[in-house]
Amino acid sequence: DTAVSQTPKYLVTQMGNDKSIKCEQNLGHDTMYWYKQDSKKFLKIMFSYNNKELIINETVPNRFSPKSPDKAHLNLHINSLELGDSAVYFCASKLQSSYNEQFFGPGTRLTVL
Amino acid sequence: DAKTTQPPSMDCAEGRAANLPCNHSTISGNEYVYWYRQIHSQGPQYIIHGLKNNETNEMASLIITEDRKSSTLILPHATLRDTAVYYCIVRVAGRTGANSKLTFGKGITLSVRP
Repeated sequence: DTAVSQTPKYLVTQMGNDKSIKCEQNLGHDTMYWYKQDSKKFLKIMFSYNNKELIINETVPNRFSPKSPDKAHLNLHINSLELGDSAVYFCASKLQSSYNEQFFGPGTRLTVL
Repeated sequence: DAKTTQPPSMDCAEGRAANLPCNHSTISGNEYVYWYRQIHSQGPQYIIHGLKNNETNEMASLIITEDRKSSTLILPHATLRDTAVYYCIVRVAGRTGANSKLTFGKGITLSVRP
């Protein structure tokens, strides 16, 4: 009965590769987010989607392309991976009509070699 | 969004109350105070939020000063599992929702000792 799930949990890959991280929520929420937490532990928002529509794009390089096939899923595809992309990526969701109570997934640790 | 200031760390004994302070002296009238925590290697977890009245739920209590320039999160009986980084965030409530984002600072690391 996991609320927000992410796959994979760990991802190790070489520079220049293309990879995807998947996120699914079973909470019936209509808004989903991607956050990045770097090695210094700062947690920064990257994107938000509402009903499959992109709402927030925080000046993320266009190598990062979120895709929302439906309200319950928000996937993150990353092209031409760079060393600086190594981080933990968190997916989150909420109801648009709610306050800022976001539910976070367990995170995906991406390591680019 | 108003900026928040938190001490970098604190500790408390297991079973005692943990009082985590947060300063937000530039808070606006329509901004709420939110608290999240992040236990090691997990995603952040919502704890509580409030506007000006004190709030309590099953996890914690939130005490907001009358001038709203500071607040305290209280964990009444801290356990070892409460060891985490606690983030105080000030944000407009944003019932518009989707463009309402959370900005996380450095937070305060709470260590609960046996």
